[in-house]
Amino acid sequence: EIQLQESGPGLVKPSQSLSLTCSVTGYTITSGYDWSWIRKFPGNKMEWMGYISYSGSTNYNPSLKSRISITRDTSKNQFFLQLNSVTTEDTATYYCANFGYWGQGVMVTVSS
Amino acid sequence: DVVLTQTPPTLSATIGQSVSISCRSSQSLLHSNGNTYLHWLLQRPGQSPQLLIYLVSRLESGVPNRFSGSGSGTDFTLKISGVEAEDLGVYYCVQGTHAPYTFGAGTKLELK
Repeated sequence: EIQLQESGPGLVKPSQSLSLTCSVTGYTITSGYDWSWIRKFPGNKMEWMGYISYSGSTNYNPSLKSRISITRDTSKNQFFLQLNSVTTEDTATYYCANFGYWGQGVMVTVSS
Repeated sequence: DVVLTQTPPTLSATIGQSVSISCRSSQSLLHSNGNTYLHWLLQRPGQSPQLLIYLVSRLESGVPNRFSGSGSGTDFTLKISGVEAEDLGVYYCVQGTHAPYTFGAGTKLELK
């Protein structure tokens, strides 16, 4: 069974970078799927942030402009999110997913 | 970006009642490859989102067949034929035809 697990700091200061890791077990991320980062804001709003494909190509939400980077370490079967220059508006629960399978989510608060 | 309009925002139901949720898209979700990438998710309280229906009407493995999806083009519907207590939560439609992928605002299903 495919399982995803997010990890990373729950508190980030404004203007700093947010870095999260998604560890995948039960499936090799180079075998298939697009591996996404998705966030849920306080309330119900969901936002797709971007993905890294099984081949390593990336696709980002233009709303995040040049702040986002998604990379991977195939030797560890992990992929990563980096979001630069965060503000309080980036406070959300962050999920890694391929839509069929989701991590449990990590709540990230941006606050000084 | 494609806007998905979900209605109603809140749905009150009794156990055993059949209910429907509408998702209307600001543009056709028919991809040039012939697929329509419209999916339905359920997020139960305290849990990660779960894929229920993919490609408009295909039931995800393990999902009860009281859930069904229909529609085409810009109009889509999720139907629950006989609500059970475990169905409570927030339902989202999500489209993957046009980048960036976008979500509906969610429909909260609660017990009457």
